[in-house]
Parts: sequence; C-alpha cells; structure tokens
Amino acid sequence: AQSVTQPDIHITVSEGASLELRCNYSYGATPYLFWYVQSPGQGLQLLLKYFSGDTLVQGIKGFEAEFKRSQSSFNLRKPSVHWSDAAEYFCAVVGTTDSWGKLQFGAGTQVVVTP
Amino acid sequence: EPEVTQTPSHQVTQMGQEVILRCVPISNHLYFYWYRQILGQKVEFLVSFYNNEISEKSEIFDDQFSVERPDGSNFTLKIRSTKLEDSAMYFCASRRQTSTDTQYFGPGTRLTVL
Repeated sequence: AQSVTQPDIHITVSEGASLELRCNYSYGATPYLFWYVQSPGQGLQLLLKYFSGDTLVQGIKGFEAEFKRSQSSFNLRKPSVHWSDAAEYFCAVVGTTDSWGKLQFGAGTQVVVTP
Repeated sequence: EPEVTQTPSHQVTQMGQEVILRCVPISNHLYFYWYRQILGQKVEFLVSFYNNEISEKSEIFDDQFSVERPDGSNFTLKIRSTKLEDSAMYFCASRRQTSTDTQYFGPGTRLTVL
C-alpha cells in the first residue's frame, strides 16, 4: 500500500541549532515530493518540492531537503532554526501518474523551539 | 500574492444539521480540492474537482458530502447531515494546472459538531 511516514511525532530543538525532519515513502514509483508547514491558526504553506533532477532542493525560509532514492526518503533540514520555525511540518506526495494531483500526507512532526 | 480564502473560520453546528463551507480559490487555477484534518490526525484528501465535476473522491466522501462551484469564484463543500465525527479542520486548496504546480491551501474552517 502507498504510504508516507514521518517517524518523529514531536521534536524539540534549541534556537540556533540544526533541524532535520525525516520522511519516508512507499510508492510503486518515485512520487512527486513536498514539504508543507502549518503554523498555529494558519493554513498549509509549501516549503519546497521535488520532481526530478538535483536531489538537493532549496526552499523558502532557509529550508532544504534531500531526496534519496535508495532510502525512499525526503528529509527536511535547516542549519539554524529560529523561534518562528515552531510549527507542524508535513511531508506529502503525489503519484506521478495521478493526473488529479491529490496529496497524500504524512502524520506530521511538531517542532518546538526553545530559547 | 494571490491566496485561497475560506469562510467561516469556525462553524459550530448541531448533529444532523447541514453545513456549507465556502472557499474562494486563486482566480486562474483550474483544479480544486477539499481536505480535512481531524484533531491530532493527518491531513486527508476528500475530493478533487476539475472542469465543473468531481474528478476523484476518497472513501470518506460519501453521499452526505457534495461540492459545487456555483459561480466563477466560489467552491463549496456541503455536508448534508452532520455527524459528531465530521468535526475537523477543513482545508480548501487549488492549483493552476499540472501535477507539478503547487497546491495552495486556505487557512481552513474548523467545524465543530455538537
């Protein structure tokens, strides 16, 4: 069955420290990959996306993600977190043959930033 | 920057009542979606809509749900007879054209069924 897994439900990180959020997928073929962020009371905002090509993708707010086909992973990273990065982060995929483009989401990782 | 808007931000209703959630997608977008997120759970796809008809729906989207694009700007989700388990945050999204175009999400409507 197709699935998206975010193993970490909750991560606490100190301001200024690095952050890595894990995402693994199980799909017949490599899907299109996305990371969204949801701040309290806000909708989902796209951080970055991967379709093909360079496996290191740069996004907004200083985030990047690396696609690793051998590990079926698309992990999100930020070298130095800011207090405003406290939010919930969702990995999502769209099957490449899915012309209607429905997103399948992981369960999310809640990030808490401490001073 | 264009954005997806949703009204109301919070809706409280009694079980068995009908509710209509409203969305205004980005104006040049062609594909429209509803997702929901039950508290503490993942965001789930409900339905996609293209060319004035449903293109795909999930098993959650049963006969109690319907969608409509009554005019050139609004996109609505109707729940005919709400159940307690319909309590969730409902997100509308739209994208311009291809699967690689970004889906833009609205801020959501929190539906509480009492």
